[in-house]
Amino acid sequence: EAGVVQSPRYKIIEKKQPVAFWCNPISGHNTLYWYRQNLGQGPELLIRYENEEAVDDSQLPKDRFSAERLKGVDSTLKIQPAELGDSAVYLCASSLDASRHNEQFFGPGTRLTVL
Amino acid sequence: AQKVTQAQTEISVVEKEDVTLDCVYETRDTTYYLFWYKQPPSGELVFLIRRNSFDEQNEISGRYSWNFQKSTSSFNFTITASQVVDSAVYFCALSEQDGGSNYKLTFGKGTLLTVNP
Repeated sequence: EAGVVQSPRYKIIEKKQPVAFWCNPISGHNTLYWYRQNLGQGPELLIRYENEEAVDDSQLPKDRFSAERLKGVDSTLKIQPAELGDSAVYLCASSLDASRHNEQFFGPGTRLTVL
Repeated sequence: AQKVTQAQTEISVVEKEDVTLDCVYETRDTTYYLFWYKQPPSGELVFLIRRNSFDEQNEISGRYSWNFQKSTSSFNFTITASQVVDSAVYFCALSEQDGGSNYKLTFGKGTLLTVNP
């Protein structure tokens, strides 16, 4: 069974440029999560989707970050414009549903460097 | 205050030694779940174990074992006879209801385990 797929794996951009990350969750998983992981820290939730609906985006900086999950499958996370502080690893995860006991399956992440 | 505290930032052991990773959590929920994830250098977090707040029975699975003590809000993880392949960052995480209908997974800062040959 294929795991969570993310691309690109690495991205280097200059500040003020836009950037987008793509995620394909495990087939059949209704819930999709985007996390940001700063160096030396644990992942922090940015947004959670149940099918195509964003049900928790309270931690998403909405002035520059946006996300979408068309047709309830693939998802894209965008930053425009990027700032130096956005350098981090962006992780996508999926689970069968949003039950608190369901383990989340993580992708390899996209490491973003903003110069 | 942190909801999940992993006091050990880094641990270094020699292969075949036993090692215990500590985790202390804080929650007001009566029903919650605790997790351990492993993050090898490749970057992908891998699920290891899940425990609910009503199940304090400790478990052994191969070289891994877990010690959940509700009285001290601790959920420690032990690797017996460590191997070089165990080298990774280990995260403890708490799943609890976030006010409304959302369930949020909160991670600790992680413990970097290095197993030397």
